[in-house]
This record gives sequence, structure tokens and C-alpha cells, in this order.
Amino acid sequence: DTAVSQTPKYLVTQMGNDKSIKCEQNLGHDTMYWYKQDSKKFLKIMFSYNNKELIINETVPNRFSPKSPDKAHLNLHINSLELGDSAVYFCASSSRTDLSNQPQHFGDGTRLSIL
Amino acid sequence: AQTVTQSQPEMSVQEAETVTLSCTYDTSESDYYLFWYKQPPSRQMILVIRQEAYKQQNATENRFSVNFQKAAKSFSLKISDSQLGDAAMYFCAYRSAWDDKIIFGKGTRLHILP
Repeated sequence: DTAVSQTPKYLVTQMGNDKSIKCEQNLGHDTMYWYKQDSKKFLKIMFSYNNKELIINETVPNRFSPKSPDKAHLNLHINSLELGDSAVYFCASSSRTDLSNQPQHFGDGTRLSIL
Repeated sequence: AQTVTQSQPEMSVQEAETVTLSCTYDTSESDYYLFWYKQPPSRQMILVIRQEAYKQQNATENRFSVNFQKAAKSFSLKISDSQLGDAAMYFCAYRSAWDDKIIFGKGTRLHILP
């Protein structure tokens, strides 16, 4: 019973392609996030959605477009992939309506490799 | 803007010994939360321990405890009786009480020596 699940786990593709990463959480959380972890292991937030509404957008290129069809899903679509997009992408979720110190629950990450 | 600094990129400790990982942060806010996350080679991000800034008492979770010094903006993690399974990257993280965004430090890679 995975709480936050991302697919695929690994994604290898050519530069210039368009790809999507899916994320689903079954925790009943109302807020979901995408993080990028670069080759030096630095984790940085990209987006945050609360009840399908964009809350945080951290100066990410507009080639990255998050889509939240409902509050249990937050997918990440990337257009015209570039070499610098190679990283591990983590989805996470938390509950705003719960205690405000609720930690974020992370998915297992998607390793994206651009050839 | 808030920042989180982990000054030790790598550390090693003998199995069964105690190790302390350092973390400092910078913020002008008085209400916030601090976390330590563990990332083993499997790549998962696992919450180890959390601390509310308004609490003076240091958080503990079994072999893991923190030394939270609010005035010094310091939040170190102590691991007692280190085990081989503790080998991982450890990330210190900050979250404002008014924001959903978590800010991570650059991580400390911990090696456990048998």
C-alpha cells in the first residue's frame, strides 16, 4: 500500500522529446509537490499544488508543466527535454488541514536521464 | 530568504558509536519546523525526526535525537549506537509555519564502518 507512488521509476529518453511523470497519493492529503534532485544531491522544490490549485512555482522553465486532475494526483509534463533536465524527480504530499507540522511524504523518485 | 547549511559533506563513524551531524539555518521568522530526512541508496526520502520551533524540548526518536538551539539557529542530529543500516545521505530541512515549501540543506553522506 504505497502512500505516494510515482511512475515510471526510470526514464531514459532523447533530448528534445516530451515526457510525463505521474504521481498519485492515497493519504487523503490536499497538497502535493514536485522536487528536483540534481547530480550533487541538492533537493529543490519546483511546484506545490493545494486542492488542484498552483501554490508554489519556483522559477522553473515553462517547459515544465504540472497538471493536477484531482487532489490525489499531480503529474509533471516536460517539453523539449534538455541535458540539464537529467535528475531525480520526487513527488511529495502533505496535509494543510492537519497539524501544521505535518511532514511531507515522498515518493520513491523518478530518475530521468537525457541522452 | 531562508537557507539551510550542512557544513559536513561526508562523515564516517564506527558501528555502535555515536555521531552528530551539524545543521544551521537562517531565518527571520519565529515560527517554523525543522526536519531531518534520510536518503539511503534506495533513493527513498524517509523522515527521521522533526522539531517544532516553539518547543524547547529536544525531539527524540529511538536512537535519533536532536540538539535544537533556537538562538544559535542550530539543529544537529545525534545518532546513537550507529548501525550499518544508518548509512545514507542525511538532509536537514526547514519549513516556515506560513508556507508549504521545504528548504533542504545540501546533505551529509554518512558512512558506517564495521
